[in-house]
Amino acid sequence: EVQLLESGGGLVQPGGSLRLSCAVSGFTFSRCDMSWVRQAPGKGLEWVSAISGSGGSTYYADSVKGRFTISRDNSKNTLYLQMNSLTAEDTAVYYCAKDLGSVTTYYFDYWGQGTLVTVSS
Amino acid sequence: SSELTQDPAVSVALGQTVRITCQGDSLRSYYASWYQQKPGQAPVLVIYGKNDRPSGIPDRFSGSSSGNTASLTITGAQAEDEADYYCNSRDSNGNHVVFGGGTKLTVL
Repeated sequence: EVQLLESGGGLVQPGGSLRLSCAVSGFTFSRCDMSWVRQAPGKGLEWVSAISGSGGSTYYADSVKGRFTISRDNSKNTLYLQMNSLTAEDTAVYYCAKDLGSVTTYYFDYWGQGTLVTVSS
Repeated sequence: SSELTQDPAVSVALGQTVRITCQGDSLRSYYASWYQQKPGQAPVLVIYGKNDRPSGIPDRFSGSSSGNTASLTITGAQAEDEADYYCNSRDSNGNHVVFGGGTKLTVL
């Protein structure tokens, strides 16, 4: 059974940092591209970042480029999102999502349950 | 343009057919995928590619595409289909992802 479990969310002050983790099981992690997708309270889905299976390629939405860093540890079956210089606009539920294909498709067939990040003083 | 546009809300009578649309320039180059999201839950992939359904998704869900518009059709809508639906695709440069704003489907 495929499982994705996010952790690391919480309350952080503006300008602060947070690192999210997504522990996965049930599939060959190193063969799958992964993404982070967020959803602000009462709002729609927003893609944040993606990383190739090897970790050699990373992509970011303009809204987070230069502040967020996506990474992965294939030996630990874990995806990360380092978030720096956080603002209130980063307040959202953050989901990790698995790419469906063995090549990049950006079709997300499995999602975690989400972890809430709240940026507030 | 790297935006996908969806109608904010659509309603359908129980058992009838409803089409939810998604418009954007990137859809001329890339197929969309569609996600169903119920309150308090993570999104679920319902359609991807030309018209493919993941295992476990009922065959009343189907997808199509023409020009800059992708469509999700639910044939014989059920009460449990009431949810928010989001489309996504690559953006025009191919390495980023865009989501539509979402459509709230009400089953009457």
